[in-house]
Amino acid sequence: DQQVKQNSPSLSVQEGRISILNCDYTNSMFDYFLWYKKYPAEGPTFLISISSIKDKNEDGRFTVFLNKSAKHLSLHIVPSQPGDSAVYFCAAILPYTGNQFYFGTGTSLTVIP
Amino acid sequence: SQTIHQWPATLVQPVGSPLSLECTVEGTSNPNLYWYRQAAGRGLQLLFYSVGIGQISSEVPQNLSASRPQDRQFILSSKKLLLSDSGFYLCAWVDRAATEAFFGQGTRLTVV
Repeated sequence: DQQVKQNSPSLSVQEGRISILNCDYTNSMFDYFLWYKKYPAEGPTFLISISSIKDKNEDGRFTVFLNKSAKHLSLHIVPSQPGDSAVYFCAAILPYTGNQFYFGTGTSLTVIP
Repeated sequence: SQTIHQWPATLVQPVGSPLSLECTVEGTSNPNLYWYRQAAGRGLQLLFYSVGIGQISSEVPQNLSASRPQDRQFILSSKKLLLSDSGFYLCAWVDRAATEAFFGQGTRLTVV
């Protein structure tokens, strides 16, 4: 049962434009959300996070938006750069369960120069 | 600083052979440890997690098992590999005071 879903397996964006990666979840008990970036044959690396008490968190070119009523979060990358090409995973944490992480299926982003 | 080591990086094993992947964490104590698998074209699937020595929770029924013989050591095993066990395996840890997962470099397992 996939509790965190990324319905777009791939996304292509021109360099300099905005990349928007989407993530939906089903469990309203999730209280913390993260985005990870993964290059081939490497472990994912942390990108940005947001607590369920907030609706926006910004870090440089990366902004994460959380819509709790819709159980939806998104990652905006502005402006997109070729080095941003990677697979992006959203993740959600269920509290009081040993900090279990639930990952989405990933979206492969390609930024075209 | 905290680091996580995972080995081997690449492994090719015949069907029916055993498996042992090891993960160790340095620079922290009492971490929550996880094994994930990324199959080709799929996301990260949680296989096992451990909140302490000897404490293992399984998320997906399969022919894999996990053990935590020491506080900072997490082992993924199988007695007999299947072709479907091929994938990219990732070990991760979460500090109990933090809300971020740190991943090892991963092991690419190919069962032939």
